[in-house]
Amino acid sequence: AQKITQTQPGMFVQEKEAVTLDCTYDTSDQSYGLFWYKQPSSGEMIFLIYQGSYDEQNATEGRYSLNFQKARKSANLVISASQLGDSAMYFCAMRDFSSGGYQKVTFGTGTKLQVIP
Amino acid sequence: DAGVIQSPRHEVTEMGQEVTLRCKPISGHDYLFWYRQTMMRGLELLIYFNNNVPIDDSGMPEDRFSAKMPNASFSTLKIQPSEPRDSAVYFCASSLIGTDQPQHFGDGTRLSIL
Repeated sequence: AQKITQTQPGMFVQEKEAVTLDCTYDTSDQSYGLFWYKQPSSGEMIFLIYQGSYDEQNATEGRYSLNFQKARKSANLVISASQLGDSAMYFCAMRDFSSGGYQKVTFGTGTKLQVIP
Repeated sequence: DAGVIQSPRHEVTEMGQEVTLRCKPISGHDYLFWYRQTMMRGLELLIYFNNNVPIDDSGMPEDRFSAKMPNASFSTLKIQPSEPRDSAVYFCASSLIGTDQPQHFGDGTRLSIL
């Protein structure tokens, strides 16, 4: 089974609207971490937000928030008030021990978000 | 603070040539990772180091690939001989120890093997 699944290859959102990017994960570990990264067309990978498996509150960083539903094994990224600069690929990633060492991170296949003016 | 620095940004070379990619991690980071990104395979971890020691190289595709980290501030990924299927974007990333520590990526090297 895929450890990280991003089912939306591409999405469109109107500028100033909110958008949710889906991510589900698979792990048997109790302790794990979930990350979201942004990759604009210029190519760099930018860390956005982190959620730990034991965190009781959903993580937030500015306009980014993570809708963490542990029982459903989902960690969806919510971007509020979309801006044109949010157009990019977004990757969900997980760090868990069963990946073969706790520093290894498994990345999903990404969702390409396009913000429409 | 300076981020992860990779060089060169772009490399175009002919099949059979040796290619060396370079990386300077963020000062003080304990871990260094080399990734390869292609459209077909996405982002793949090739190898990672902890305190300059290779920990897991199971992602290195074959013996043509080698990586070294002679000190805490420098790492290289070498491909010899290079082949057209090695064309990809190669990223270096570094992180502190800790389950909540993100990996910080360099800007990548876009490698084209003709």
